[in-house]
Amino acid sequence: KNEVEQSPQNLTAQEGEFITINCSYSVGISALHWLQQHPGGGIVSLFMLSSGKKKHGRLIATINIQEKHSSLHITASHPRDSAVYICAAPNFGNEKLTFGTGTRLTIIP
Amino acid sequence: DAGVIQSPRHEVTEMGQEVTLRCKPISGHNSLFWYRQTMMRGLELLIYFNNNVPIDDSGMPEDRFSAKMPNASFSTLKIQPSEPRDSAVYFCASSVIPGITEAFFGQGTRLTVV
Repeated sequence: KNEVEQSPQNLTAQEGEFITINCSYSVGISALHWLQQHPGGGIVSLFMLSSGKKKHGRLIATINIQEKHSSLHITASHPRDSAVYICAAPNFGNEKLTFGTGTRLTIIP
Repeated sequence: DAGVIQSPRHEVTEMGQEVTLRCKPISGHNSLFWYRQTMMRGLELLIYFNNNVPIDDSGMPEDRFSAKMPNASFSTLKIQPSEPRDSAVYFCASSVIPGITEAFFGQGTRLTVV
C-alpha cells in the first residue's frame, strides 16, 4: 500500500500570500491526484499529474517522480481558496487510491 | 453532464435499520468507486467496480456492507443492519480509466446512525 503524507496539516495565511502544500508518497505511481474539499463537503478534482507541472488559474501543481514528491501552490490566495486540500496516490499495480490526511487551508481577508 | 449524482444527501436512521445509498456515475465512465470519510480515518476506499463488475471489495468493513452495480448507470451501497459507528460521509466517484484519468466525485451522503 502506498503511504501518502501531507504537510502542513493546517495552514492559515493572509489574503494575497503564496501558498505551498506538500505531498510525499512511498511507492512509484502512474499519476498523483490533488483534490479540494469545500467547507460544504463536496470534493473536486483539481489536478492529476504524472510529471512536470500543471497550471489552472492561480493553482499550480508540480511533481518530482524521482523524489516521490508533489507540491500544490496557490498564488495570490483568496478567502474563497479556504478548503481542505487532499493528495492521493494509487497503490502500486492497481487503481486504488490512498489519500493523504489533507491540509486545512484558511485564508484570512 | 450533471456529474456524479448521489442520493440522499443526508440520511438519519436508527441503529439496526437498513440503509441504502445510491449513485449515478457520469455517462461513459467505466469505473465507479465508493469511499467513506470520517474524522478519524479520513477518506477510505470501500469498493470499486470496473464495467459493472466488483474488482476489489477489500475495503468493505464487514458483512453488513454490500454494494451492487446492476448496470452502467446505477450503483447502491447498502448497510444492514446499521450501527452508530457507520456514521460518516459516503462518496461515490467515477472515472473513465481508473488510475489514468481523473476521478469525479459526487456530493456525498452524510449518514447519521443514532
